[in-house]
Amino acid sequence: GEDVEQSLFLSVREGDSSVINCTYTDSSSTYLYWYKQEPGAGLQLLTYIFSNMDMKQDQRLTVLLNKKDKHLSLRIADTQTGDSAIYFCAEVSFSGGYNKLIFGAGTRLAVHP
Amino acid sequence: DAGITQSPRHKVTETGTPVTLRCHQTENHRYMYWYRQDPGHGLRLIHYSYGVKDTDKGEVSDGYSVSRSKTEDFLLTLESATSSQTSVYFCAISEEGGRSPLHFGNGTRLTVT
Repeated sequence: GEDVEQSLFLSVREGDSSVINCTYTDSSSTYLYWYKQEPGAGLQLLTYIFSNMDMKQDQRLTVLLNKKDKHLSLRIADTQTGDSAIYFCAEVSFSGGYNKLIFGAGTRLAVHP
Repeated sequence: DAGITQSPRHKVTETGTPVTLRCHQTENHRYMYWYRQDPGHGLRLIHYSYGVKDTDKGEVSDGYSVSRSKTEDFLLTLESATSSQTSVYFCAISEEGGRSPLHFGNGTRLTVT
């Protein structure tokens, strides 16, 4: 079945790196996504990685993909208080003839001074 | 920001009453989705649409129906609201289903008393 798992909480000190981990089940997923949700808002696309890539870097964000272990991680360098939010990973699942996104439960990132 | 408007933003209703939530997009995207967000569950797909009058069920569709008579509008109806449907509801749009990112509205907070 389809399942995406994330740890629920991460606390880091301002200026340190944050690493948020995710495991997924659908080995045929073509894209894997990271979204950020701030309080009272919808989900904002942060970045995504295509399944034939191992790594993608975008400014302070680095995404690592281990297809063998179905493991995805998001690293945020020089974490700032504005990075405090809930981070969701999502895999693409193809069923019923169409692609759908399946989300994890989200990791709440707390950044403290 | 993607042109997605959800209405209403907040609603309180009584058990047994019908409720309709509206999602309106200005991007002319083919795919539209309704998700619900609950603590510890992340986002779960209720229904989705892959074109006008073309809809299908997601993983938590019981108690919900949808309609899409125009490209820009996707309606979610709770025929007889129950307390278990108290949640935050998000609409999302996508150009190519899971092969392109989903863009989310700001959500509707529904409370069923």
